[in-house]
Amino acid sequence: KAGVTQTPRYLIKTRGQQVTLSCSPISGHRSVSWYQQTPGQGLQFLFEYFSETQRNKGNFPGRFSGRQFSNSRSEMNVSTLELGDSALYLCASSSDSTGGLEKLFFGSGTQLSVL
Amino acid sequence: GEDVEQSLFLSVREGDSSVINCTYTDSSSTYLYWYKQEPGAGLQLLTYIFSNMDMKQDQRLTVLLNKKDKHLSLRIADTQTGDSAIYFCAESLYGGSQGNLIFGKGTKLSVKP
Repeated sequence: KAGVTQTPRYLIKTRGQQVTLSCSPISGHRSVSWYQQTPGQGLQFLFEYFSETQRNKGNFPGRFSGRQFSNSRSEMNVSTLELGDSALYLCASSSDSTGGLEKLFFGSGTQLSVL
Repeated sequence: GEDVEQSLFLSVREGDSSVINCTYTDSSSTYLYWYKQEPGAGLQLLTYIFSNMDMKQDQRLTVLLNKKDKHLSLRIADTQTGDSAIYFCAESLYGGSQGNLIFGKGTKLSVKP
């Protein structure tokens, strides 16, 4: 089974631009979560999608948005980029929790640098 | 608020045991997790423990849970250089909440030959 695929692997943007990151989950997984990883803040939860609906959202400004398609692929968008948005963005998929067990499978991430 | 805390660094010699500690805050967490991140890669689920268990063993990995003190530890026996990585403990909010795990900042394990 192919793992979680994130594209692109690296991205360089300038302040004020917008960016779209893509995530293809493991086949059969319907839940996709996004995390931001920085050296200072560690891993922070952005949002989670299940069957094209956002089920859960972290504490990020509205510039961060996402969506999920009918094939479970997901995209996240960041508008009006700021220097502080430079981070590794990780996507994780799961087959949805059973009895509270969350087995997340992570992609290798998209490293975003904002200049 | 919810917080998961870990020490940032641990250095051991090859063949020794490594113990990585973590404290968490949400007493309703149904499961607690350990993830591993190697350089340039995403996180990989190593093991997890159900909250009504005290211990779980999986080959070289032993997880200990002290629910009263909200303390979780991961012991790696016979640590190898290939175990060098960042280890994250994580809890799920509200007993399991749709992909929303709260992670610690990670413990960087360095294994010296």
